[in-house]
Amino acid sequence: AQSVTQLGSHVSVSEGALVLLRCNYSSSVPPYLFWYVQYPNQGLQLLLKYTTGATLVKGINGFEAEFKKSETSFHLTKPSAHMSDAAEYFCAVITNAGGTSYGKLTFGQGTILTVHP
Amino acid sequence: DTAVSQTPKYLVTQMGNDKSIKCEQNLGHDTMYWYKQDSKKFLKIMFSYNNKELIINETVPNRFSPKSPDKAHLNLHINSLELGDSAVYFCASSQDPGFYLIYEQYFGPGTRLTVT
Repeated sequence: AQSVTQLGSHVSVSEGALVLLRCNYSSSVPPYLFWYVQYPNQGLQLLLKYTTGATLVKGINGFEAEFKKSETSFHLTKPSAHMSDAAEYFCAVITNAGGTSYGKLTFGQGTILTVHP
Repeated sequence: DTAVSQTPKYLVTQMGNDKSIKCEQNLGHDTMYWYKQDSKKFLKIMFSYNNKELIINETVPNRFSPKSPDKAHLNLHINSLELGDSAVYFCASSQDPGFYLIYEQYFGPGTRLTVT
């Protein structure tokens, strides 16, 4: 079954520092991968997605992620953290909704990003 | 303009009660979803409707019954509430349910349910 694992439930960086949030997937077929962000007391918002084509995907708010098949990874990065980036980030993969022809999002455990001044 | 709205935002109730959460989207989407986020922030899909038809039904207790009166609304009714039902419930919608979910899912702000 396809799944994602996020390494590190908490990541803390200083403002201006590099942000690196790790996500590894397991899939027997080429995966479709997503990163979502959840700000406190809000719903999830799509940051970026990888479907096919270019393996370096750019998203909103200066985030990007690179699909690396050889490493089964889809890590999320941002060159310079901002205080407003403090949130929880979820990696997700499409998996088959059993018994149907539809897909569903299967989420990782989430990583809380803290940004220090 | 709110794209996906949920009511109520907070719901506190006692064990054994029956409650409903309402969801509405004004995006013109055909597909709507219910997700449950537990206390450890683990997020999992519960149901999905496409054009008022149930298309995804994960292993959810029968006490949970979704209802879609029209494409813009998906409500969640919970009977005989239990302590373990305490969670944040998110509604979402997308243009199409297709396997590859090319279309982005838009999430509502969530309903925090507390069962005492």
